[in-house]
Amino acid sequence: TQLLKQSPQFLSIQEGENLTVYCNSSSVFSSLQWYRQEPGEGPVLLVTVVTGGEVKKLKRLTFQFGDARKDSSLHITAAQPGDTGLYLCADGRGGAQKLVFGQGTRLTINP
Amino acid sequence: GAVVSQHPSRVICKSGTSVKIECRSLDFQATTMFWYRQFPKQSLMLMATSNEGSKATYEQGVEKDKFLINHASLTLSTLTVTSAHPEDSSFYICSVSSGGGETQYFGPGTRLLVL
Repeated sequence: TQLLKQSPQFLSIQEGENLTVYCNSSSVFSSLQWYRQEPGEGPVLLVTVVTGGEVKKLKRLTFQFGDARKDSSLHITAAQPGDTGLYLCADGRGGAQKLVFGQGTRLTINP
Repeated sequence: GAVVSQHPSRVICKSGTSVKIECRSLDFQATTMFWYRQFPKQSLMLMATSNEGSKATYEQGVEKDKFLINHASLTLSTLTVTSAHPEDSSFYICSVSSGGGETQYFGPGTRLLVL
């Protein structure tokens, strides 16, 4: 059974600071997806990465996929209160189209 | 991406009653929908895969007779929590899968509170 571990579990920083959160898998990812979930809402897809070593940028967010396709990082530059939320990584296993989620990093950006 | 709605957004019911939650794909014909459960401060746990026109596939440990899933059309799947108990209180989220791909688009969730 694949295990996705995210770290840190909780992170609280001041507005304007930079941060990085991590997602590690016990096995090679099929495809890695990052989601952000705000309280009382469903997760919203941020990015999908497939190729080892791939880097994608979404405004102040930079997503990096490890060469071995077993780990990923999400870096946020100049964090803003609107970045507050639960960040989830997930592996899209082929065939059954199921998603396996990590336990998430709960991020709080303080004004 | 696909637009997914859920109804109701929140529901409070008495222990022993049944509750139906609807998941609609508003702009996309979804042959496959997924139902997740999320307890407070925890991640999403897949409960079942809902297949249009056939029986749902349940994950290990999920009681199929307690969580009834009906996927009668390409735009609607329903989850019925039968004989609900307080431990069933949770945030229930559905998703639809993009055609042939692994990307899922999530509904806004339904918060169930069983008294």
